[in-house]
Amino acid sequence: DGGITQSPKYLFRKEGQNVTLSCEQNLNHDAMYWYRQDPGQGLRLIYYSQIVNDFQKGDIAEGYSVSREKKESFPLTVTSAQKNPTAFYLCASSLLGGATNEKLFFGSGTQLSVL
Amino acid sequence: GDSVTQMEGPVTLSEEAFLTINCTYTATGYPSLFWYVQYPGEGLQLLLKATKADDKGSNKGFEATYRKETTSFHLEKGSVQVSDSAVYFCALNQAGTALIFGKGTTLSVSS
Repeated sequence: DGGITQSPKYLFRKEGQNVTLSCEQNLNHDAMYWYRQDPGQGLRLIYYSQIVNDFQKGDIAEGYSVSREKKESFPLTVTSAQKNPTAFYLCASSLLGGATNEKLFFGSGTQLSVL
Repeated sequence: GDSVTQMEGPVTLSEEAFLTINCTYTATGYPSLFWYVQYPGEGLQLLLKATKADDKGSNKGFEATYRKETTSFHLEKGSVQVSDSAVYFCALNQAGTALIFGKGTTLSVSS
């Protein structure tokens, strides 16, 4: 089945530690996105990538980093500079990334908590 | 910048009641508008969309009409079910940018 796979489902971070969230898609989509979800705040865009080896900052990129070395993969690293990392992280993809009427396909999310 | 404003939740209804979740937007140009739904512990799924003024999106008994004059895209359903309990997100998309979401509205339906 085609889709987006996020792993792990639950992740715990110690103080000062970097952690990486995995996102893989087999939909052959060009564009991929990372959103952060906090209770009562909806979804906020962290980073997005419309093509391999290129990505743009979203509204809350500070303390995060990404890479897009392969079309199907868009890992997100939460660095020690992110002081409030506890949240639900959602990865998404879309076919082209430039059209206004594109549907986003979402993974099932990773819940990150601080120990 | 562009933004989406949704009514605050939670919305609590009895089965078979009528549902309205208000959504208004601020945007330059002519965005597409979307409603996504999130069931507990899952990612989001597209519920419906509309790409131009006066378009009506519909799916699974839910409807929303793109009203440019009032910059609104309210979600409605004539008779809700317990299985409709979820968080609903209104969103807009402009060309060349990523989707912008509202804060979400939690719907709880009891039998």
